[in-house]
Formats: sequence, structure tokens, C-alpha cells
Amino acid sequence: QVQLVESGGGVVQPGGSLRLSCAASGFTFSSYGMHWVRQAPGKGLEWVAFIPYDGSNKYYADSVKGRFTISRDNSKNTLYLQMNSLRAEDTAVYYCAKDAHPYYYGSETPFDYWGQGTLVTVSS
Amino acid sequence: AIRMTQSPSSFSASTGDRVTITCRASQGISSYLAWYQQKPGKAPKLLIYAASTLQSGVPSRFSGSGSGTDFTLTISCLQSEDFATYYCQQYYSSPHTFGGGTKVEIK
Repeated sequence: QVQLVESGGGVVQPGGSLRLSCAASGFTFSSYGMHWVRQAPGKGLEWVAFIPYDGSNKYYADSVKGRFTISRDNSKNTLYLQMNSLRAEDTAVYYCAKDAHPYYYGSETPFDYWGQGTLVTVSS
Repeated sequence: AIRMTQSPSSFSASTGDRVTITCRASQGISSYLAWYQQKPGKAPKLLIYAASTLQSGVPSRFSGSGSGTDFTLTISCLQSEDFATYYCQQYYSSPHTFGGGTKVEIK
């Protein structure tokens, strides 16, 4: 069965850094694009970043561009999100999510599996 | 970015009711529209994609319709486990924007 398990969340001061990980199992990780989506406390869902199955391109929301970096290690079945220059407004539960269809470079597929999320709190 | 607008933002309903949630895109997205269900403290769950295709394992009381800019999610006979928040999402173009959510509460 498909499993996505996020880790790396915690409390960090404004301006600090954090790296999130998403360990994948139960499917051929190297065949699927992966996303990060976040949800601020009591708020809706916000897409953060996408990386295609082969890591050839990376796409970001304007709110995180230049501060966050998405990457993947297909040999370790793991997705990452490096978050730098963190702000209070980055406080959220961060989910990793899997493309429903394999081998897409762009955006034409929904997300069929999500992890349980990891909470990032940016506070002094 | 394409803006997704859901209505209503919340409402109360009773078990057995037929409920409809609307989602409007700020520009045409063909049928690149998904619906997700989220319960408190849990990750979203894919219900419908391609505007009207039911994800495997999702009960048939859920249905979706629409194309272009206007879409609906219908629950034909609301069950207790359906009380949750529902989000639409366009995947026509990046960024994959979500609607603001519709919370379905027990009357």
C-alpha cells in the first residue's frame, strides 16, 4: 500500500531554516511527480512546490520562491523541502502528495495520496 | 494564477440530505478539476478527478459535474462520515490552486 511519511517539522525562529523529508513506499517513487502542500492553522490548502518524476524541473508558489527548494532522491525514495529565511506566515502543516498518474512533467494530474503532514511553527 | 472560488463556505445539513457544493474557476480549465475531502487532523483524500471521475474506493453517492469554469460536487444522500471540509483544485496549470473550502456541518 502507498505510504508517504513526512518528518522534520518543528519550531524555528524567524529567519531560520528547516528541511522536511517525505519517505515514500508502496509504489515506484521514481515514476511519479511529487508535491508539497501546506495548510496554515484553521486555513485552507496552499500548493507549495512540485518536482517531476526525474527531478528535471522544479516549480514553486510565488510565496516561497527563492526561499524554498524542493528536491528528491530516487535511490532513497525520499522527497525533500529545504526551507530557508522562514517567516511567521510559513507556519503550517506541510503535506507531501503524489501525482495520480506517472511520468507527467507538468501539472495535468491530481494528487491521489497524501502523507499525514508535519507541523512547522515559525516563532520567536 | 487561476483563482478557484467555492460556495458556500459552510453550511449545515442532516443525514440523508442531498447536498451540492459549487466551484468556479477564474478562467477555463477544461475538466482538470479535482475534489478532496478533509476531516479534522487528517490529510485530504481524493474523491473525484477530471471533474466527474470517481476515485477508486469512493462511494457512489459522490458525483461531480461541470467543465470550463463551473463545477459541482454532489452528495446524493449525506452520511455521518461525510461531515467534513471539501476542497476543489484545478490542475490545468501551475500553480495548482485550491478553492477556499466548504465545511459541511451537522444540523
